[in-house]
Formats: sequence, structure tokens, C-alpha cells
Amino acid sequence: NAGVTQTPKFQVLKTGQSMTLQCAQDMNHNSMYWYRQDPGMGLRLIYYSASEGTTDKGEVPNGYNVSRLNKREFSLRLESAAPSQTSVYFCASTPGWGFNADQPQHFGDGTRLSIL
Amino acid sequence: QQPVQSPQAVILREGEDAVINCSSSKALYSVHWYRQKHGEAPVFLMILLKGGEQKGHEKISASFNEKKQQSSLYLTASQLSYSGTYFCGTPNFGNEKLTFGTGTRLTIIP
Repeated sequence: NAGVTQTPKFQVLKTGQSMTLQCAQDMNHNSMYWYRQDPGMGLRLIYYSASEGTTDKGEVPNGYNVSRLNKREFSLRLESAAPSQTSVYFCASTPGWGFNADQPQHFGDGTRLSIL
Repeated sequence: QQPVQSPQAVILREGEDAVINCSSSKALYSVHWYRQKHGEAPVFLMILLKGGEQKGHEKISASFNEKKQQSSLYLTASQLSYSGTYFCGTPNFGNEKLTFGTGTRLTIIP
């Protein structure tokens, strides 16, 4: 059971470079989420997708774009990376359409991104 | 609004009980609890729903206080494997997402 798979696991970028973080889930979940985790700040929502074809901003969307390619895949793109985007990025999914208070989030293993 | 967790860190001996709190300025109708070990993904522990119903881990329990503005997570007879950082997550007003607390680092020593 793969669950939620994120690639790459590690990445180092230079300021101004672009890259796409990939996320795929094999649990037939409808909703997917992108979080960033910084020391001492917990998990903060960047973007989420309540269903295939829809995306919405979360708490910290500036500097990011997302694509819900199909039901399985939800990618996060940094168009022009900045040092402030150095973080650990987690993708998560839930079964329902949109957030449901009684459904747990299933997280991927994360992507550790450093921007120099 | 981000929930506030307390304590920020705690060290216990194996077999002792632990209590971790998650507080909000508004009444909570659901609280999620996750545990994260260093360098790993957060792992779901349990959900506490407004009626007191719990979904998740058998050996972990949680409760609301009287005003439902605080949830407490109870870890009884802690094991070495319980070490990690515990996060609570609370739904926001529009029920669109979870807002996570800053975490409580629990260290269990032999």
C-alpha cells in the first residue's frame, strides 16, 4: 500500500529557479492538500483541492501554484523560488469531497526543499 | 486561528502518563490529533468529535473541557514508541481546512 507518494524527497534550488513538487495517492481519495512545515510553526495549508478540477487557496498561497491533474495527482509549483520558501512540504489526502471534520488526513513522506 | 498547545515539551519515563492540551479561542466541534517522529510524516492518531465520540487509536483517548474550547489528549502507560511531536488540528469556521497547533514534543525515556 503506497498511500500518498511525494517526489522528490530532497531538492536544493537556487533563488529564482522554478520546480514542481509531485504528489500522487492511490486510495481513490477526492480531496488533496499541500502543507508546508517550518520549525516552530506547525503545518500551514498552502492550497487544497476538494475534487478533481477544483483548487482553492489556503493560509499561505503566495508564491505557489497548483494543478489537480486528475483524481490521483496534485502538483505544487514554485515559479521563482525564494529563500523564504525553504521548508518541508507535505501532501495529504482525505476521502470526501472537501474537508470533512471526521475524516483523517493521510500524509505523504514530505519533500525537503532548500533554496539558496 | 491557530490553536495553542501546551506544554511545548515534556519528558517522561516509560510507563508514566502524559496529557497534552490544545486550546482555542472559539468552541471546538472537532479536534484531530497527529504524531510526527523526526524526519517523518505526521501520522493520524484520533479525531474527537463534538459529541465526545472518538475515532482512532485504541490506547489513546481525548476529551473536551466544559466549554469545548480545550481538548486534552491522554497517553496512558507511555511507551518508548510514543516519543515524537504531537499536533492538534482544528477545523476553521468555514469548515474548509484544518488549522494545526505548533506542536508538543514528547520524549519518553527508559
